[in-house]
Amino acid sequence: DGGITQSPKYLFRKEGQNVTLSCEQNLNHDAMYWYRQDPGQGLRLIYYSQIVNDFQKGDIAEGYSVSREKKESFPLTVTSAQKNPTAFYLCASSSPKRADTQYFGPGTRLTVL
Amino acid sequence: AQSVTQPDIHITVSEGASLELRCNYSYGATPYLFWYVQSPGQGLQLLLKYFSGDTLVQGIKGFEAEFKRSQSSFNLRKPSVHWSDAAEYFCAVGALGNTGKLIFGQGTTLQVKP
Repeated sequence: DGGITQSPKYLFRKEGQNVTLSCEQNLNHDAMYWYRQDPGQGLRLIYYSQIVNDFQKGDIAEGYSVSREKKESFPLTVTSAQKNPTAFYLCASSSPKRADTQYFGPGTRLTVL
Repeated sequence: AQSVTQPDIHITVSEGASLELRCNYSYGATPYLFWYVQSPGQGLQLLLKYFSGDTLVQGIKGFEAEFKRSQSSFNLRKPSVHWSDAAEYFCAVGALGNTGKLIFGQGTTLQVKP
């Protein structure tokens, strides 16, 4: 079955540590996205990538980094510079067209201890 | 600037009652509009989308939405709600340019009373 996988589902991190969230898709989509979700704030775009080896900052990129070395993979690193990293993180993919649907992974809940 | 507003943060309806979730958008051109649903702790699932043509769009799970350009609205409706419809619902508009980016509303949480 085609889809998007995110791992792990739950992640705990100590303050001052970097942590990497995994996102893999087998939908053959060119574009991939990372969102952060906090209660009452909807989804906010962190980074997106329209093609391999290229990515752009979204609305809240500070304290995060990404890479796009393969079409199928778009890992997100939450660095120690992110002031309030505890949140639910969602990955999505689509073709890079306005009209196309974004497909979402199941999410990773990150908690900073 | 493009934006999406969902005026109702939380809605409670009785099982079997009708449902309407409101969505208003601000956009400078023909909008591409989406409704997604999210169960607790899960990812988002597409309910329906509007690009052009018939302004009444049918989706999955018995949902429909109507695009009204004059009111800048894209309200989601269901004639009879089931307990399994309890979830969070997000309206989104496709951003200008060929990036595939979406701009989401704040979301509406639906509670269903037995």
